[in-house]
Amino acid sequence: QSVLTQPPSVSGAPGQRVTISCTGSSSNIGAGYDVHWYQQLPGTAPKLLIYGNSNRPSGVPDRFSGSKSGTSASLAITGLQAEDEADYYCQSYDSSLSGSGVVFGGGTKLTVL
Amino acid sequence: EVQLVQSGAEVKKPGESLKISCKGSGYSFTSYWIGWVRQMPGKGLEWMGIIYPGDSDTRYSPSFQGQVTISADKSISTAYLQWSSLKASDTAMYYCARGEMATRDWYFDLWGRGTLVTVSS
Repeated sequence: QSVLTQPPSVSGAPGQRVTISCTGSSSNIGAGYDVHWYQQLPGTAPKLLIYGNSNRPSGVPDRFSGSKSGTSASLAITGLQAEDEADYYCQSYDSSLSGSGVVFGGGTKLTVL
Repeated sequence: EVQLVQSGAEVKKPGESLKISCKGSGYSFTSYWIGWVRQMPGKGLEWMGIIYPGDSDTRYSPSFQGQVTISADKSISTAYLQWSSLKASDTAMYYCARGEMATRDWYFDLWGRGTLVTVSS
């Protein structure tokens, strides 16, 4: 079970807007640690999509946006395209009595209908 | 070109040792962290640990502490992940990724293509 909780799957039609949630706790997102997002296309390595909660690396379309509030974060994708079909992962940092380190969400599979 | 090039796929038997590599090029290797991430078949991403090649400062995930060793040779811009005694459950794709410091932690802005490790008798 992942420290960060994501829905296993989301779907949307081309052109629509979808959001993917990432729910944490007071030892990670709620403690002020940043949230980052990755896209993993089938059979490929993950790719950085959003860093520092809401920043896009060069080359990432502005259809992708991130936000954070309290103990949760969200990734929004507008103008959905077939090429967006992939797995999406959130990532943060967790500091608890059992140890500290980078943590990933369980991943969300986006299906473009 | 800025890239991380990982070593090729490995097929090993339980109990054998293994060391896989990740060579950085096109950037200052000693100025960025290198992290390792496991992805078991059909599963999600798991952070294993991270090393700063500049001074070999290494941090491990509590889940992987004592199970693997992360090292780096800055003279050849290469990071390593090694096992002393593999188990079938180590079968997975292993990615190295360049770690950039965020406010208080890291994010990974450059990824290798992965090294598939298969452990089977």
